[in-house]
Amino acid sequence: DTGVSQDPRHKITKRGQNVTFRCDPISEHNRLYWYRQTLGQGPEFLTYFQNEAQLEKSRLLSDRFSAERPKGSFSTLEIQRTEQGDSAMYLCASSLDRGRENEQYFGPGTRLTVT
Amino acid sequence: AQSVTQLGSHVSVSEGALVLLRCNYSSSVPPYLFWYVQYPNQGLQLLLKYTSAATLVKGINGFEAEFKKSETSFHLTKPSAHMSDAAEYFCGTLTGGGNKLTFGTGTQLKVEL
Repeated sequence: DTGVSQDPRHKITKRGQNVTFRCDPISEHNRLYWYRQTLGQGPEFLTYFQNEAQLEKSRLLSDRFSAERPKGSFSTLEIQRTEQGDSAMYLCASSLDRGRENEQYFGPGTRLTVT
Repeated sequence: AQSVTQLGSHVSVSEGALVLLRCNYSSSVPPYLFWYVQYPNQGLQLLLKYTSAATLVKGINGFEAEFKKSETSFHLTKPSAHMSDAAEYFCGTLTGGGNKLTFGTGTQLKVEL
């Protein structure tokens, strides 16, 4: 069990550019989550997948954001036309589907800075 | 809607002193509650969770939390602080039918010599 991994760990981009982040969950976990954490705040839910199906999206996930999990394994989060307000830590988590006892395991995060 | 509130954005204790980090919840149904720790530039690590099996929950690194329904609280404690405990701590609850975590705003713990 190598844990949840995320790539890259840091990304600096200019406003208006597109960026893509990758998350590799714990191998046997069928649920995958994306959260966003801004400075001084707790993580906020963005979206989650069960296997390859995206089952819920937060209102925080504007049209410029898209997430995929094509084969039910790794996931990508793309932000198009980045804005300075997108600067944040993007966290990925995974879990087994055990109803309300879902225990989510987090990756180290990708810190995005938009200049 | 289910939510959690963390009282005190910064807590400072001396090494060896009691650590008490406060979390209150708001829920119309029995909540599932979690405490996570986050070290600088890292993701969140689960410390402990309450799933209604027992009101006193023991976690990793000597931390424990007690679920008190009468006070709608789930405070995190550790009898003796260590320098390595300095980090940010988040209380969270499962919402959306158990599909997502909702976190408090976090408490930064500082441990002084």
